[in-house]
Amino acid sequence: TQLLEQSPQFLSIQEGENLTVYCNSSSVFSSLQWYRQEPGEGPVLLVTVVTGGEVKKLKRLTFQFGDARKDSSLHITAAQPGDTGLYLCAGLPPNTGNQFYFGTGTSLTVIP
Amino acid sequence: NAGVTQTPKFRVLKTGQSMTLLCAQDMNHEYMYWYRQDPGMGLRLIHYSVGEGTTAKGEVPDGYNVSRLKKQNFLLGLESAAPSQTSVYFCASRPGGSSNEQFFGPGTRLTVL
Repeated sequence: TQLLEQSPQFLSIQEGENLTVYCNSSSVFSSLQWYRQEPGEGPVLLVTVVTGGEVKKLKRLTFQFGDARKDSSLHITAAQPGDTGLYLCAGLPPNTGNQFYFGTGTSLTVIP
Repeated sequence: NAGVTQTPKFRVLKTGQSMTLLCAQDMNHEYMYWYRQDPGMGLRLIHYSVGEGTTAKGEVPDGYNVSRLKKQNFLLGLESAAPSQTSVYFCASRPGGSSNEQFFGPGTRLTVL
């Protein structure tokens, strides 16, 4: 069983549309990260959130950490073809310090 | 800086064969990780290391062994490969301390026939 479930698993949208990706768990995390991975490459960190309710913005991307620190969302405004990729969330449980758990991933395709 | 490098990039094994995957980082990071990535399952942690000479088990350690004799290198070994170990393997490193950012290598695609 996966500690972190992402939805949707696949998403195909037109350029200019908005979308939200969800990362859910029944466990609490001390911090949660979002990565983007392009084909043939390793994941690259987008953002880390550490406080319940925290909202961070990265240009057209908005990340939110749930109040209870069990879930997170990624919202993309006016998606562009360059946003295409696999989005992964990763959580760090409290009191472990070293072991990260990754979500199941959301594959996003933005059609020009 | 090359960052995190992995060798080889691709490999095909027969069931029962052994091999070692090499990960190297030139950022003087304390922590290193080995993950496997399978469709629909994200990344799963195999083993990790919190410093030179130390290793620890992750979520899916069975069938794998690791060693970290030098700080910059983290080796992943498969003693007797099985078709279930067909996957893409990623190595990552992170500085430690207050930084949680992991830096990933480009991956090794392994097929076990």
